[in-house]
Amino acid sequence: NAGVMQNPRHLVRRRGQEARLRCSPMKGHSHVYWYRQLPEEGLKFMVYLQKENIIDESGMPKERFSAEFPKEGPSILRIQQVVRGDSAAYFCASSPLGTGPGETQYFGPGTRLLVL
Amino acid sequence: RKEVEQDPGPFNVPEGATVAFNCTYSNSASQSFFWYRQDCRKEPKLLMSVYSSGNEDGRFTAQLNRASQYISLLIRDSKLSDSATYLCVVNSLMDNDMRFGAGTRLTVKP
Repeated sequence: NAGVMQNPRHLVRRRGQEARLRCSPMKGHSHVYWYRQLPEEGLKFMVYLQKENIIDESGMPKERFSAEFPKEGPSILRIQQVVRGDSAAYFCASSPLGTGPGETQYFGPGTRLLVL
Repeated sequence: RKEVEQDPGPFNVPEGATVAFNCTYSNSASQSFFWYRQDCRKEPKLLMSVYSSGNEDGRFTAQLNRASQYISLLIRDSKLSDSATYLCVVNSLMDNDMRFGAGTRLTVKP
């Protein structure tokens, strides 16, 4: 059973370009979470999605960031008009059900975004 | 005040030492608790869940004190391979996300 997969693993963009990060959850998992990890900081929650639904996007910046989890295909985190402050590691996690007591999230290897 | 706070570290200990990490959380509604391990430039991986009664897994012991809102992780007989950053994570039924501490870096030296 393949784990959570993310691609690309590394992404370099110039300021103003768009970044698209993909996440394929573990087989059988229908819940996806995106986190951002800035240098020397812990992971910060961004968004929680189920198939075709955004459940909680309270951690997502209001502008330039969007996420989707279509019926078919991976979840996409999209960052428009990237700025240097977007440089970070973006981790995706998945779980079989919703997060609840004892529910474990399994993390992907992350995408390291560098904005020049 | 941060929602989840950990010892800032770094902890530098010799092989065989016993080391303890503490973590405090501010949300009294938190329901589930975990310790994750994160190696340099890798994804976090679940080390162990933390139960009210405390739990042990080999050299690792985790404890939860709900009254004081803190969680601890004890590592006995440290190995070189234990060198990593240890993340304290709490979750509440009130929201859907997990709150991570900033992590405590451990380096075990020969």
